[in-house]
Amino acid sequence: GAGVSQSPSNKVTEKGKDVELRCDPISGHTALYWYRQSLGQGLEFLIYFQGNSAPDKSGLPSDRFSAERTGGSVSTLTIQRTQQEDSAVYLCASSLGRDSSYEQYFGPGTRLTVT
Amino acid sequence: AQSVTQLGSHVSVSEGALVLLRCNYSSSVPPYLFWYVQYPNQGLQLLLKYTSAATLVKGINGFEAEFKKSETSFHLTKPSAHMSDAAEYFCAVSVSGGTSYGKLTFGQGTILTVHP
Repeated sequence: GAGVSQSPSNKVTEKGKDVELRCDPISGHTALYWYRQSLGQGLEFLIYFQGNSAPDKSGLPSDRFSAERTGGSVSTLTIQRTQQEDSAVYLCASSLGRDSSYEQYFGPGTRLTVT
Repeated sequence: AQSVTQLGSHVSVSEGALVLLRCNYSSSVPPYLFWYVQYPNQGLQLLLKYTSAATLVKGINGFEAEFKKSETSFHLTKPSAHMSDAAEYFCAVSVSGGTSYGKLTFGQGTILTVHP
């Protein structure tokens, strides 16, 4: 079956511009996670959705970052006024539910480069 | 809060040799532990997970890991390395309850190189 998909796969933007990153989770998966992978910080959690609600936004690095999820499915991560330190690979994952034992299935990521 | 330490950012082995990737965790509550593999320009793929059922966990591609509570370790092993095992490996911890809800905390990763 279809896995987690993310778009675009690559995004180059100028400093100060806004960007939107999209995640399509596996159908039926109620939990959705965003992570960021960068050379300096490794893999870090950003935000977690259960359905359309985000009970844990603790990993969002600044108020320039926001995310939403609609219809319990697609999620969009928005970065406003991008900075060079935002350059990273943004990974989305989904799982059947919020229990920690459930496997998280990862998408291929969006590589963001801020010039 | 929980954390993960992977000892050795790079590990190099010969084809056919034992693979040992080290992971130590810190958690104030019983953890769930995972090993993921990442091939270049791809997302993460789950190799195996520990969810308190059995301490020796077998995963895909011949990998296994043993949960040792006394040592707070979850090392990944494979008896005989293949060239196709060359990738980056991440150990991760998760706990249930509170607002964590499955959030993964990752180690810094170990790049495995396999020599012919």
